[in-house]
Amino acid sequence: TQLLEQSPQFLSIQEGENLTVYCNSSSVFSSLQWYRQEPGEGPVLLVTVVTGGEVKKLKRLTFQFGDARKDSSLHITAAQPGDTGLYLCAGGNYGQNFVFGPGTRLSVLP
Amino acid sequence: DTAVSQTPKYLVTQMGNDKSIKCEQNLGHDTMYWYKQDSKKFLKIMFSYNNKELIINETVPNRFSPKSPDKAHLNLHINSLELGDSAVYFCASTRQGSDTQYFGPGTRLTVL
Repeated sequence: TQLLEQSPQFLSIQEGENLTVYCNSSSVFSSLQWYRQEPGEGPVLLVTVVTGGEVKKLKRLTFQFGDARKDSSLHITAAQPGDTGLYLCAGGNYGQNFVFGPGTRLSVLP
Repeated sequence: DTAVSQTPKYLVTQMGNDKSIKCEQNLGHDTMYWYKQDSKKFLKIMFSYNNKELIINETVPNRFSPKSPDKAHLNLHINSLELGDSAVYFCASTRQGSDTQYFGPGTRLTVL
């Protein structure tokens, strides 16, 4: 069974600070996704990375897929209260369902 | 224009009852899913289904059964509800060949 771990589990920071959250596994994935989930809503896809070492930027968010395709990081620059939410990573392999990590709950205080 | 919708949003019921949750997607997607998110926010897949194949997570009790009247709908039936079934259930869909899943808003099930 492929498992994903995420760290930290909880993160509370002040507006304007930078932060990095991590997604790790002992398994190799063909692709990895990051989602953000707000209270009372379903997860919303932020990005999919598929190539080892790949870096993708989405405004203030930078996503990196590890060279070995076993881990990923999400870096947020100058966090804003609107970034508050549960960040989930999900790993997938060709033709198989995605496996989700337990999530990092981020709180950005104004 | 809701892409993936679920009803009801909240469901409170007694242990032992049978209940259904409905899911509809208007995206023309081929594959639909049901996930369970527990109190610790762990999102676990229960079923994936397209018009050809139903894939069941082996850990899902057979009290849970998906039913698809057509390509745009995948309903979840739960028999003999138990306290441990309390969770938020999410429906999702994808287009064939795509990894992008679109999630519904969730149904919060509380079993008393």
